[in-house]
Order: sequence, then C-alpha cells, then structure tokens
Amino acid sequence: NAGVTQTPKFRILKIGQSMTLQCTQDMNHNYMYWYRQDPGMGLKLIYYSVGAGITDKGEVPNGYNVSRSTTEDFPLRLELAAPSQTSVYFCASSYGTGDSNQPQHFGDGTRLSIL
Amino acid sequence: KNEVEQSPQNLTAQEGEFITINCSYSVGISALHWLQQHPGGGIVSLFMLSSGKKKHGRLIATINIQEKHSSLHITASHPRDSAVYICAVRSSVSGGSNYKLTFGKGTLLTVNP
Repeated sequence: NAGVTQTPKFRILKIGQSMTLQCTQDMNHNYMYWYRQDPGMGLKLIYYSVGAGITDKGEVPNGYNVSRSTTEDFPLRLELAAPSQTSVYFCASSYGTGDSNQPQHFGDGTRLSIL
Repeated sequence: KNEVEQSPQNLTAQEGEFITINCSYSVGISALHWLQQHPGGGIVSLFMLSSGKKKHGRLIATINIQEKHSSLHITASHPRDSAVYICAVRSSVSGGSNYKLTFGKGTLLTVNP
C-alpha cells in the first residue's frame, strides 16, 4: 500500500518557468490537500478538494492552480514560478464525510527552489 | 498572533527523560492533531483527539477543551524520537473552513544518547 505519492522529490526552476507537482493516493480518500511549508512557519493550505471535480482555495492560493479529475490524483500547477514559491510542498489525503474528523496522510514532500 | 502556539520551540533532552510539548489555540475546535516530522521531511499523524487523553506506546496526548490547551508527552525518550512535533487544529466553524487545519510552527526535539 503506497499511501500518498508525490513526484518529484526535488526540483530547481528558473523564474517564470512552469511545472506541475504530482500527487496520487491509493487509499480511495475523497479529501486531498496541498500545503507549503516555509522555514520556521507552520504548514499553510494552498488548495484542497473534497472529491473528484471539486476544488477550493486555501489560505495561500495565489500563483497556483489545481485540478481533480479522478479520486486518486490531485496535481498542483505553478504557472509562472517566482522566488517566493521556493518552499517544501506536501500533499495529503483523508477520508471524510461532512464534519467527521479523520487523520490526514501525508506524502514525503517536494522540495522546490526557484532561482 | 498565531491561532496555534507551541512551546517550547526547541527542546533538548537526554535519553530516558520525560518530555512535554505544549500547544495552545485560540479558536473553537472540532479536533486537534499531533504530527511528527522526521529529519527526512516526511510527516506522520500521531494522534487526533477532541477530548480527554490518548496513548500509543510511549506517547500520550491530552487535551483540555475549556482551557484550549493540549500536551504531548513522551515517556522514556529515545534518540529515535528526535523530530519536529507539530500541533494542528480543525476549526469547529461549519462550512468551507471546516476542512482546514491550522498548524503550529512545530517543536524541534533532540534527544541525546
């Protein structure tokens, strides 16, 4: 059981380039999330999805886009990379219905540097 | 002011010591999570609780809803417990923000042999 898989693990981009961070989960979780973790700061939610075809903005969505065409996959797209997007990105998933509380399962992270 | 405050920020202990990490929050919550992030970067969920106390091996998590405070205890600490411990809360507000976790900045624990 792979859990939550993120690719790539590391990437260096030039300013203005675009890329997609991939996230896939095999637990049939309906909720998926993208976070960024900056040094000395708590994780911040970028986007989340409560099911295929449904996405919504989190706290820090500017400069990012997401899609959720399948239950398994939740890619995060950076269109015009900026140095402020240098961070570690985590994808997570959980099972949930309504107000139920369930633990989130995290991928290993993608360390992204924009130069 | 952060909605979730952890203390201490850094903690160094000797192997075998009893460890306490604290988390205070300012909003009404439906659940509080404790997470562990190892030096390699991966994040693992340790506990999720909304009242009382939970225990798993040498780890104990408690929460006091009235005081908006939670503690994570590690008994008989070991060097392999060295990691960043993160507290996160889920708001009890209904609607879209209900899915959101607010994270503390983490507590870096180093346990020396």
